[in-house]
Amino acid sequence: AQTVTQSQPEMSVQEAETVTLSCTYDTSESDYYLFWYKQPPSRQMILVIRQEAYKQQNATENRFSVNFQKAAKSFSLKISDSQLGDAAMYFCAPNFGNEKLTFGTGTRLTIIP
Amino acid sequence: DTGVSQDPRHKITKRGQNVTFRCDPISEHNRLYWYRQTLGQGPEFLTYFQNEAQLEKSRLLSDRFSAERPKGSFSTLEIQRTEQGDSAMYLCASSPTTGEVYNEQFFGPGTRLTVL
Repeated sequence: AQTVTQSQPEMSVQEAETVTLSCTYDTSESDYYLFWYKQPPSRQMILVIRQEAYKQQNATENRFSVNFQKAAKSFSLKISDSQLGDAAMYFCAPNFGNEKLTFGTGTRLTIIP
Repeated sequence: DTGVSQDPRHKITKRGQNVTFRCDPISEHNRLYWYRQTLGQGPEFLTYFQNEAQLEKSRLLSDRFSAERPKGSFSTLEIQRTEQGDSAMYLCASSPTTGEVYNEQFFGPGTRLTVL
């Protein structure tokens, strides 16, 4: 079975500091895509960052970057210079080559002013 | 293009009634997905279409659920004989199959269903 684990139900970080959200998964596939989505309170899900499993280089998008460890099946998200607008639920959501996303249970991120 | 839209945004119904939700994807996206999200959980896959063909259905999609995408554009999700356990947020997403954002799913705002 393909599973996704986000072991941190809640995290908090001081504004302007850095925080890392963890995600591990289990799959027998070798070619897949990994995504982090953000869901602000009462607002829709938006894509934060994507990583192709065949790429060794970790993806970055402005203040957001990932640490992708394929052998360890780990895909963590680092948010640098945290801002109040980063407060949201964050979901790790791989696409294991079968077109659908498999979501973790999410991490609720709180930004402390 | 303003993104994926869903209608209605909220629906309250009584147990046993039928409900139908609509999703309009981003116009050039040929894949359309339905997910269900209960409170405090991540979304769970229900079904997806490529153009008008329904290619996969989850075991979560019981016989009371039916989805269509008749002309490969908008999609509807119908729930017959609703049960209280159907109360959830129903999310629609679309994705292209080519281009720079290949395989990225763009989500709509969701339809929140409450079954009394």
